[in-house]
Amino acid sequence: EPEVTQTPSHQVTQMGQEVILRCVPISNHLYFYWYRQILGQKVEFLVSFYNNEISEKSEIFDDQFSVERPDGSNFTLKIRSTKLEDSAMYFCASSDERAEAFFGQGTRLTVV
Amino acid sequence: GNSVTQMEGPVTLSEEAFLTINCTYTATGYPSLFWYVQYPGEGLQLLLKATKADDKGSNKGFEATYRKETTSFHLEKGSVQVSDSAVYFCALSDRTGGSYIPTFGRGTSLIVHP
Repeated sequence: EPEVTQTPSHQVTQMGQEVILRCVPISNHLYFYWYRQILGQKVEFLVSFYNNEISEKSEIFDDQFSVERPDGSNFTLKIRSTKLEDSAMYFCASSDERAEAFFGQGTRLTVV
Repeated sequence: GNSVTQMEGPVTLSEEAFLTINCTYTATGYPSLFWYVQYPGEGLQLLLKATKADDKGSNKGFEATYRKETTSFHLEKGSVQVSDSAVYFCALSDRTGGSYIPTFGRGTSLIVHP
């Protein structure tokens, strides 16, 4: 069964460092998303990506964040200068025209 | 804008009890509705969905019916098991701009005791 895969599963980084979180969406999907979940809290939308550009982004997705689809398969989230409050679980998702989003297992980011 | 409201948890039940988790939504368009489940330490798994009014989504004994008149999508299961212990998220997806943006409720934790 096709699935969304994310790497790494856990990333520890020092405050101020840059991190790149990687995702391989389901191959025939057209819409890609990043969400985050701070421990025990709600799942928050960050950004959606369609047709090689950002289609929507939330207030959380400020200049510190960027997304890229560098080739036909990967979808990355870059956090430029990490802060303690960026510690969270980051989920990648993808969907086709039916709007049903499939999520990866997540990357747990810990900023120390 | 779009939003989803779920009942607060945790919901604590004994095995074989009946489960209801309430969910209501607000949407500008005609959304699709979903329930996702998150088991401890894992990602979000789609549990069931409904794409139009009066549709009933079902999976693994769970059911939810898309009620447009009450803007609700309550999750039910007739007899819960310990293995159902997880966090359940109600979500909607509506076309906004160029893509669908799934919007989630805050999640409801379910704890089932033997």
